[in-house]
Amino acid sequence: EAQVTQNPRYLITVTGKKLTVTCSQNMNHEYMSWYRQDPGLGLRQIYYSMNVEVTDKGDVPEGYKVSRKEKRNFPLILESPSPNQTSLYFCASRTGGRVETQYFGPGTRLLVL
Amino acid sequence: DQQVKQNSPSLSVQEGRISILNCDYTNSMFDYFLWYKKYPAEGPTFLISISSIKDKNEDGRFTVFLNKSAKHLSLHIVPSQPGDSAVYFCAASSNNNDMRFGAGTRLTVKP
Repeated sequence: EAQVTQNPRYLITVTGKKLTVTCSQNMNHEYMSWYRQDPGLGLRQIYYSMNVEVTDKGDVPEGYKVSRKEKRNFPLILESPSPNQTSLYFCASRTGGRVETQYFGPGTRLLVL
Repeated sequence: DQQVKQNSPSLSVQEGRISILNCDYTNSMFDYFLWYKKYPAEGPTFLISISSIKDKNEDGRFTVFLNKSAKHLSLHIVPSQPGDSAVYFCAASSNNNDMRFGAGTRLTVKP
């Protein structure tokens, strides 16, 4: 089954404690992204990767890091989380040339105290 | 700067009637538009799309209309079913690049 998986699904942490949200896809997609969803703002792209070792900033990259060492994995790293990073996070993947092929993961709900 | 706007946070319709969800955009470079559907505790799933060279695309009960001059698109669901109750996101893309999403509209279809 084609899917994007994220872990953990729910996370409560405290300000400043580094955390990583993992993302993995099994569709051999070149393109992967991270989004955050906030009320009234929809989904905003944090970072994206067009292929292995190629990453770039999206619209709201501040406070986040990513890496793409393997095609299937695209972890999101919060080095020093702050309360304004409390949000619902989605990982997504797609083939390079077709935006309509984008699959989303189930989401990770993060609360930073 | 929200380039894609969904001005109705919620919509409630009766089962069997038509649901019309609206979306406006500001960037004239957008050439591809998509609608996503999202159920609670799940990620958004692709529903239907339309290229800027068309003004209508139909897929079963779902039809998307595009009015380029007004920078407006709409999603029609006919007939609406309770299982259609979800949050619907409008999205726009240019040159197959990253999408911009609207804030979403929560549709409730009452039996």
